[in-house]
Amino acid sequence: GDSVTQMEGPVTLSEEAFLTINCTYTATGYPSLFWYVQYPGEGLQLLLKATKADDKGSNKGFEATYRKETTSFHLEKGSVQVSDSAVYFCALSGMDSSYKLIFGSGTRLLVRP
Amino acid sequence: NAGVTQTPKFRVLKTGQSMTLLCAQDMNHEYMYWYRQDPGMGLRLIHYSVGEGTTAKGEVPDGYNVSRLKKQNFLLGLESAAPSQTSVYFCASSYGGSGREGEQFFGPGTRLTVL
Repeated sequence: GDSVTQMEGPVTLSEEAFLTINCTYTATGYPSLFWYVQYPGEGLQLLLKATKADDKGSNKGFEATYRKETTSFHLEKGSVQVSDSAVYFCALSGMDSSYKLIFGSGTRLLVRP
Repeated sequence: NAGVTQTPKFRVLKTGQSMTLLCAQDMNHEYMYWYRQDPGMGLRLIHYSVGEGTTAKGEVPDGYNVSRLKKQNFLLGLESAAPSQTSVYFCASSYGGSGREGEQFFGPGTRLTVL
């Protein structure tokens, strides 16, 4: 079945460092890909998405490119802030009509001043 | 707009007790979902609904039941709670298709502990 694998955390960075969180997927057909973010004590929020190969999703300085050839959707940010500390989830939405999401296990990011 | 709300926020149960978690959304979404979040496992889908009066099983449905009698509400029931059901439960809703597939709006979660 469809699945998402993302890098283990926690990832600890200093403010203004470059961030990469790796995400790869296994799916039939052409899924849509997402990054969701969960701040402490809150529910998940959509961060960005891409719906077809070579699309780049971007939001709040974060970017991810849908790479079909490597089945990847890595999250990047050029300069992280303390306020970016959160748990980041990669997810895919398959081809069936339920539009349900399949999530990776999440990567905790801690940014230190 | 309140978005997606969940009640209660916290609950402690004893093994064998029952309870119902309530999810409500005010965005007129057709699709609603219940997930559980466990450490190191991401979110796993319990049940979902594609419209009023419909429900379907997700990845981990055993021990749970759901109902969607009104479009805006989606209830998750535990008939006989077990310690393995200790988790954080999230409700989500979405438009479904129409170019916004996968864009789900999440509630703040319910932390459930079963002793």
